[in-house]
Amino acid sequence: GENVEQHPSTLSVQEGDSAVIKCTYSDSASNYFPWYKQELGKGPQLIIDIRSNVGEKKDQRIAVTLNKTAKHFSLHITETQPEDSAVYFCAASGSRDDKIIFGKGTRLHILP
Amino acid sequence: GAGVSQSPSNKVTEKGKDVELRCDPISGHTALYWYRQSLGQGLEFLIYFQGNSAPDKSGLPSDRFSAERTGGSVSTLTIQRTQQEDSAVYLCASSLVGRGMDEQFFGPGTRLTVL
Repeated sequence: GENVEQHPSTLSVQEGDSAVIKCTYSDSASNYFPWYKQELGKGPQLIIDIRSNVGEKKDQRIAVTLNKTAKHFSLHITETQPEDSAVYFCAASGSRDDKIIFGKGTRLHILP
Repeated sequence: GAGVSQSPSNKVTEKGKDVELRCDPISGHTALYWYRQSLGQGLEFLIYFQGNSAPDKSGLPSDRFSAERTGGSVSTLTIQRTQQEDSAVYLCASSLVGRGMDEQFFGPGTRLTVL
């Protein structure tokens, strides 16, 4: 089955700097790659997603890139702000079953 | 509109007791997922309901775990003879289309503590 690896597990960046979180997946049939943000005490919330027919997608300060050949995808957050502090999960789905497989998460700390 | 709701928000139980966790998905969503999130860990898939199809139970960790979805809406996750390792946050999510291909809307979770 699908396996999603995510790193780093923890990331601290200075406010205003950029943050990058990277994921790899194992099943070449996967074609949908969402990113979720989980704030303390809440359920995860979708922030951006990308499908395999595009290589990059941007939404204001957030962008996601996908390299299908290498089976890598990354989340980029620019001009980080205190409210970006949270746990971020990458995920992959669309392989041979209907499950979405999540990475183990990255705890992002924005330092003042 | 209303999002996904879960109850109770917190549950403390003694080892060996049974517990029921409830999920109310967004109205009209055909797909419903249950996940388990242990402290500092990712989201572990448990079970998936898609419309009237037989559920995908492949993520349930043991036969002590079961789930139902009545009338294509409310779902209940039951854990029998709870063990301390069952302590975790149990998250429910629903989506309009399902099959892992669209946005999942998560509830706030039920924090289960087994003493």
